[in-house]
Amino acid sequence: DAGITQSPRYKITETGRQVTLMCHQTWSHSYMFWYRQDLGHGLRLIYYSAAADITDKGEVPDGYVVSRSKTENFPLTLESATRSQTSVYFCASKSDTKAFFGQGTRLTVV
Amino acid sequence: AQTVTQSQPEMSVQEAETVTLSCTYDTSESDYYLFWYKQPPSRQMILVIRQEAYKQQNATENRFSVNFQKAAKSFSLKISDSQLGDAAMYFCAYRRSGGGADGLTFGKGTHLIIQP
Repeated sequence: DAGITQSPRYKITETGRQVTLMCHQTWSHSYMFWYRQDLGHGLRLIYYSAAADITDKGEVPDGYVVSRSKTENFPLTLESATRSQTSVYFCASKSDTKAFFGQGTRLTVV
Repeated sequence: AQTVTQSQPEMSVQEAETVTLSCTYDTSESDYYLFWYKQPPSRQMILVIRQEAYKQQNATENRFSVNFQKAAKSFSLKISDSQLGDAAMYFCAYRRSGGGADGLTFGKGTHLIIQP
């Protein structure tokens, strides 16, 4: 099925552990994005990518790493998870006129 | 930097009535896009309506319409004939045009409650 999928949907991890959130899109859109959603903040941009091997920081990049070796995949890694990174994470891709969002990953850091 | 402000954390409306959600934004750009997204409890982000800044005509999608006031930097969403399925968080968002890699800047959201 065409679309954008995130995995896992839910994740609990411990402080200090590395965790990777996966994002896969089937449209071959050049542009992909990671956002985090927190109560009282709406969605905030973490990182974005204009194409394979081209990534850049958004509004709140600290503590996160991204890579994009293939157009269709855009994983987000928390190298050493902290409790402040407990959030819902959304991946998105963009056509010329419209953004498409994944279902989100709820990450809890304990 | 662009900012988007939604001043109503929560709104309540009776089923079948009309409700307006407010959004203001700040930008120095002249060409940009504005959006309203709906987020039901399923967490899915659903595009409700999109407005291009260079178009003077207000966008309309069925029961959803916007009042776009470019000079005032205001972009409100009107929902007519409210239905129970409209209950959700609504986010106003901005993106400048021309910069393909630019992400969306979101407001903090308005929680819309529909009273049966």
